[in-house]
Amino acid sequence: SQTIHQWPATLVQPVGSPLSLECTVEGTSNPNLYWYRQAAGRGLQLLFYSVGIGQISSEVPQNLSASRPQDRQFILSSKKLLLSDSGFYLCAWSPRTAFYEQYFGPGTRLTVT
Amino acid sequence: SQKIEQNSEALNIQEGKTATLTCNYTNYSPAYLQWYRQDPGRGPVFLLLIRENEKEKRKERLKVTFDTTLKQSLFHITASQPADSATYLCALVVYGGSQGNLIFGKGTKLSVKP
Repeated sequence: SQTIHQWPATLVQPVGSPLSLECTVEGTSNPNLYWYRQAAGRGLQLLFYSVGIGQISSEVPQNLSASRPQDRQFILSSKKLLLSDSGFYLCAWSPRTAFYEQYFGPGTRLTVT
Repeated sequence: SQKIEQNSEALNIQEGKTATLTCNYTNYSPAYLQWYRQDPGRGPVFLLLIRENEKEKRKERLKVTFDTTLKQSLFHITASQPADSATYLCALVVYGGSQGNLIFGKGTKLSVKP
C-alpha cells in the first residue's frame, strides 16, 4: 500500500530564516505531487504541483519554491521566511492519470516568529 | 467570481441524529465533487467522490448528493457518533484546469455530542 511521509511535524522559525520541508511517498511510481498550505480560517491553498522529476508548476506567486529531485520526493523551500508563511503545510500525491484522487500526508505545522 | 462555500463553519448535533453539511459553488462546472474528513492537526482523508452525472452516492453511514442545477452538494452522516466529530471539506474537480485543480471549501466543523 502507499504511504506518504512529511517532516518535520512541527517547526518554529524566525523571520528571515530559510525553510526546507520534505515529503516522500512509498508504494507507488510516477505520482503527481502537491504542496498545499492551510492557514487558520482559510481553505486549502494549492502552492505547487509536479508531474515528474524536475517539473514544477506554481499556482501562487510567493516567497516559496519547490523541487522534485527524485520521483517520490518533493521539497518545499524558502530562502527567507515571512510572518505570513505561518500555516499548516500539506503534501499530497495522486496517481499520474487521476489527479483528483489526492492522498494527503500528516502535515507540518510552521510557525514563523 | 468563482466561489465555493460550505454554509456552516460549525455544526453541533446530538448523537444518533443525522448530520447534514452543505457545499455550494458558483461559476464552476465541476466534473467531480469530493468530500474529505480532517481531524485536528492531521491531513484530510478522502471519503467520497461523486461525478457530475450522478445524483447520489452512499458509503456505509455516509450519503452525498450532487445537484448541478442548484450547484450544491449535501453530505449526510446518519446515526452520527461522537467519533464522527471532525472538520469536513468539500472539493471541486474542474475540467480544463491544471493538473492541480482541486478547489477546496473552508470546511464545516462537526461536533457530535453524546
